[in-house]
Amino acid sequence: DAGVIQSPRHEVTEMGQEVTLRCKPISGHDYLFWYRQTMMRGLELLIYFNNNVPIDDSGMPEDRFSAKMPNASFSTLKIQPSEPRDSAVYFCASSFTLGRGEQYFGPGTRLTVT
Amino acid sequence: GENVEQHPSTLSVQEGDSAVIKCTYSDSASNYFPWYKQELGKGPQLIIDIRSNVGEKKDQRIAVTLNKTAKHFSLHITETQPEDSAVYFCAASSMKLTFGQGTILTVHP
Repeated sequence: DAGVIQSPRHEVTEMGQEVTLRCKPISGHDYLFWYRQTMMRGLELLIYFNNNVPIDDSGMPEDRFSAKMPNASFSTLKIQPSEPRDSAVYFCASSFTLGRGEQYFGPGTRLTVT
Repeated sequence: GENVEQHPSTLSVQEGDSAVIKCTYSDSASNYFPWYKQELGKGPQLIIDIRSNVGEKKDQRIAVTLNKTAKHFSLHITETQPEDSAVYFCAASSMKLTFGQGTILTVHP
């Protein structure tokens, strides 16, 4: 398996624009996670899905953020409108289980909002 | 919710020395404690984990210890090598993973 795939790897956009980040999890994994990494706040869980259903979105910072998982092999994280404080590295991860086994992280998307 | 504290934030050692990173957690329900290594420009990667029914686990040069009573766990790296230089994260979980703030480890040749 190629591992978790994320695109794009880098995104530079202007404030107010819509940003869509994409993730393909490892085949067979039932859980998908979206994380945000910043120097100030470290690695934060934004939302996770189980079998394509959002289970916990308590980490989503505000209504400007939304995530979907239309099928087992694809998920998106959308920010609309984007703000400079959204600049961060966004990671997607997937796993077989919740809280008891390895989460496999993708390479991340580095987002810069100017 | 869970809160994980990790120390030190930076650690510099000479090649061949040992490195120790310590974490504390707050939720007594946490029962899974993984350690991740993140290299520059990459996502975190699991290097070792320990479950609450085990006090110590070792994998070659890496070992992890867990004290559930005191709610702390530690990562030990022996005979460090320059390629061990990276950011290390501890995490604790009963359901969701909560990560520590990370330790930047630098191993000088």
